Amino acid sequence: GAGVSQSPSNKVTEKGKDVELRCDPISGHTALYWYRQRLGQGLEFLIYFQGNSAPDKSGLPSDRFSAERTGESVSTLTIQRTQQEDSAVYLCASSLQPRGEAFFGQGTRLTVV
Amino acid sequence: SQQGEEDPQALSIQEGENATMNCSYKTSINNLQWYRQNSGRGLVHLILIRSNEREKHSGRLRVTLDTSKKSSSLLITASRAADTASYFCATRADNDMRFGAGTRLTVKP
Repeated sequence: GAGVSQSPSNKVTEKGKDVELRCDPISGHTALYWYRQRLGQGLEFLIYFQGNSAPDKSGLPSDRFSAERTGESVSTLTIQRTQQEDSAVYLCASSLQPRGEAFFGQGTRLTVV
Repeated sequence: SQQGEEDPQALSIQEGENATMNCSYKTSINNLQWYRQNSGRGLVHLILIRSNEREKHSGRLRVTLDTSKKSSSLLITASRAADTASYFCATRADNDMRFGAGTRLTVKP
């Protein structure tokens, strides 16, 4: 597609349930990032994928969070046993080169009730 | 943890005035980028400045970088109501891209 696509756009889930968020990066982009943004706050780095290298998972807040990416394609961010503090917008971005301009999706707004 | 810190947190100006936002960071960088966010969703890239550059222009945007002070500034000249948004700096080191908390700019018509 023309841009980074994220789905779903909005997700409401019950506390304790697992959720899976999807990111389709721009074709050919080797780098992919996930961020979390709580209301009125900045972007909190979660995880970074670069090609076939081991991902940088240093930003994942707990072992309930995990992410996968196969090659240079789709990535999924999974949150297990969701908690109310997981409520936020989850943003995905991709870039052609590791240090270049990043293109963002419109995010998934997750609400845990 | 966040790398950059923007200042001020919020800025309100009249249309036609200039807006200046600052960003400070802590570690060595490869480049620094500024992004804009409308309505709390996706960010849009504005400008990139490399660590060996001191100033860069793009339309009404002017960015400066002082690596000795680990700081950058974004100047928007002749602001418009449509410039109302949140502005973030992002620092690039080896692999990751870290953002600050942003500056919320309001331009009053």
